[in-house]
Amino acid sequence: DQQVKQNSPSLSVQEGRISILNCDYTNSMFDYFLWYKKYPAEGPTFLISISSIKDKNEDGRFTVFLNKSAKHLSLHIVPSQPGDSAVYFCAASESGAGSYQLTFGKGTKLSVIP
Amino acid sequence: ETGVTQTPRHLVMGMTNKKSLKCEQHLGHNAMYWYKQSAKKPLELMFVYSLEERVENNSVPSRFSPECPNSSHLFLHLHTLQPEDSALYLCASSKSAHSNYGYTFGSGTRLTVV
Repeated sequence: DQQVKQNSPSLSVQEGRISILNCDYTNSMFDYFLWYKKYPAEGPTFLISISSIKDKNEDGRFTVFLNKSAKHLSLHIVPSQPGDSAVYFCAASESGAGSYQLTFGKGTKLSVIP
Repeated sequence: ETGVTQTPRHLVMGMTNKKSLKCEQHLGHNAMYWYKQSAKKPLELMFVYSLEERVENNSVPSRFSPECPNSSHLFLHLHTLQPEDSALYLCASSKSAHSNYGYTFGSGTRLTVV
């Protein structure tokens, strides 16, 4: 059973507008969340993270919001740029587990239209 | 130079072949990972190595055999694979397998089993 779900396989946004990528999780023990970005023919690269003690983390155009009660997080990109077109993966981990493992969602393909 | 280098980038092999995937990290990290990415599926963790010792083996079939001769190198030996094993195999490293450090991924090996 998937513990991290990204229910939108794809998203198209106009350049300059906001992109909102969503992620839901089921494991209440998850306490650290990350977003990765992947271009074709490249490995995923780390984008932004958030600890469960926070509900928001911002880095430039990228902001991640965490709603623990809803087990939901979202990534906001403002303003969206064509270079943001990529697949975005949500990932989660549990600090108390024996070893640090990331559990990933299936990814959302973002297309930013010029 | 991504810091994590995977070779080969592409591999086509028959079901009776034996081949190996190689991963090398130049980041001084102590943990290395193999992930599998199949079409329309989340990244699946296969193996975790911490300081050259395997700490996780997520019920991976024995036709996949990992090897970690030192903290900078990780191999995945393949033999008698099935067509459903065709996927993108990603190597990653992190500072520690027991802390919330993000991963650095390689570009992956695109494997096709014929």
